Amino acid sequence: QSALTQPASVSGSPGQSITISCTGTSSDVGGYKYVSWYQQHPGKAPKLMIYDVSNRPSGVSNRFSGSKSGNTASLTISGLQAEDEADYYCSSYTSSSTLVFGGGTKLTVL
Amino acid sequence: QVQLVESGGGVVQPGRSLRLSCAASGFTFSSSGVHWVRQAPGKGLEWVAVISYDGSDKYYADSVKGRFTISRDTSKNTLYLQMNSLRAEDTAVYYCAKSGGNYALFYYGMDVWGQGTTVTVS
Repeated sequence: QSALTQPASVSGSPGQSITISCTGTSSDVGGYKYVSWYQQHPGKAPKLMIYDVSNRPSGVSNRFSGSKSGNTASLTISGLQAEDEADYYCSSYTSSSTLVFGGGTKLTVL
Repeated sequence: QVQLVESGGGVVQPGRSLRLSCAASGFTFSSSGVHWVRQAPGKGLEWVAVISYDGSDKYYADSVKGRFTISRDTSKNTLYLQMNSLRAEDTAVYYCAKSGGNYALFYYGMDVWGQGTTVTVS
């Protein structure tokens, strides 16, 4: 199972919005509504930010939103803040009854 | 307080075995699917395995299938990962994480993560 494709890095200034893409195939992202997004700060465990494409867990800021079109899922962060600087990973359920992660995207807040 | 605490990591020679543990507290362990996810040094996340709430369903990544075994002891609120025939490429921080919904495996995301335990194969 190949990793999902994410941009290696994105950047934005405080207050701006950014979008991170996550591209897979019809056997994973495109075939199911089970895409999640995780935030990971250096040396820390990942934190769930979005589940099942567009749902936010309790306690996660509404500045974070998710969507999907075809084989590509997206995470949008609006009103960028310094604390949003982290690595972001998408994951998807696959037709092989496994999970696959994206390669990760490093977000830099300028 | 909902918590997962991994243990059992260490340095092991190639070809040897190691068993990781993950102690759960603060939630109904017997209702939760639980995953192992690993992260090699400086690399991204890699899903390893998942076990259903009752232990009846287990799924593995191709990279560990046949070498790793996931199991659980509900009486001890503990998840395990038996790792055999270890290779250098298994070197990573290993996290356990619970599925976000009761009885769920692959949906609702992974909403609680442990702090990780480090395995070095060398």
